Amino acid sequence: GAGVSQTPSNKVTEKGKYVELRCDPISGHTALYWYRQSLGQGPEFLIYFQGTGAADDSGLPNDRFFAVRPEGSVSTLKIQRTERGDSAVYLCASSPTSGRGTQYFGPGTRLTVL
Amino acid sequence: GESVGLHLPTLSVQEGDNSIINCAYSNSASDYFIWYKQESGKGPQFIIDIRSNMDKRQGQRVTVLLNKTVKHLSLQIAATQPGDSAVYFCAENADSSYKLIFGSGTRLLVRP
Repeated sequence: GAGVSQTPSNKVTEKGKYVELRCDPISGHTALYWYRQSLGQGPEFLIYFQGTGAADDSGLPNDRFFAVRPEGSVSTLKIQRTERGDSAVYLCASSPTSGRGTQYFGPGTRLTVL
Repeated sequence: GESVGLHLPTLSVQEGDNSIINCAYSNSASDYFIWYKQESGKGPQFIIDIRSNMDKRQGQRVTVLLNKTVKHLSLQIAATQPGDSAVYFCAENADSSYKLIFGSGTRLLVRP
């Protein structure tokens, strides 16, 4: 079956601009996660959704970052007033149960802020 | 994922040999552990997991060992193949949290 998909695969933007990154989880998976991966490091947790609600957003670095999952399926990560330090690969993962099962990752969106 | 691991620890093995990748985890409350494989330009791919009530689990060509006393995890790959070349991450999860905490990764290079 189809895995987690993310669009766009690459996004180049200018400092100060607004970006949206999209994640389509595996069909039927109730839990969805966003992580950020910088070069040479492991992924770092940003936010976790159980259904439509953000159950844990403790990893969001500041209030420029926001994520939604209005219908409990597709999620969008939104970054306002982008900064060069936001450049990274943004990974989405989903799992079939409430967070204690295996998390399956998408290919990521590479965000470059010039 | 991007081209990860430019400065990661590297393990170089001959094709056909066994590989052992080690990981030290930080949280004594962690009770679930996963190994992921990440190839250049791709997201992490699940390999094998283990819960803290076990000390060994085997999959196809892979074995994970867990030593809770010293907070150490290892991944053994039997008969390593060129397709195993990638960066390998261990991840831990504590009962009180849904988030995965990833280690820094190890690059595995398989020599033909």
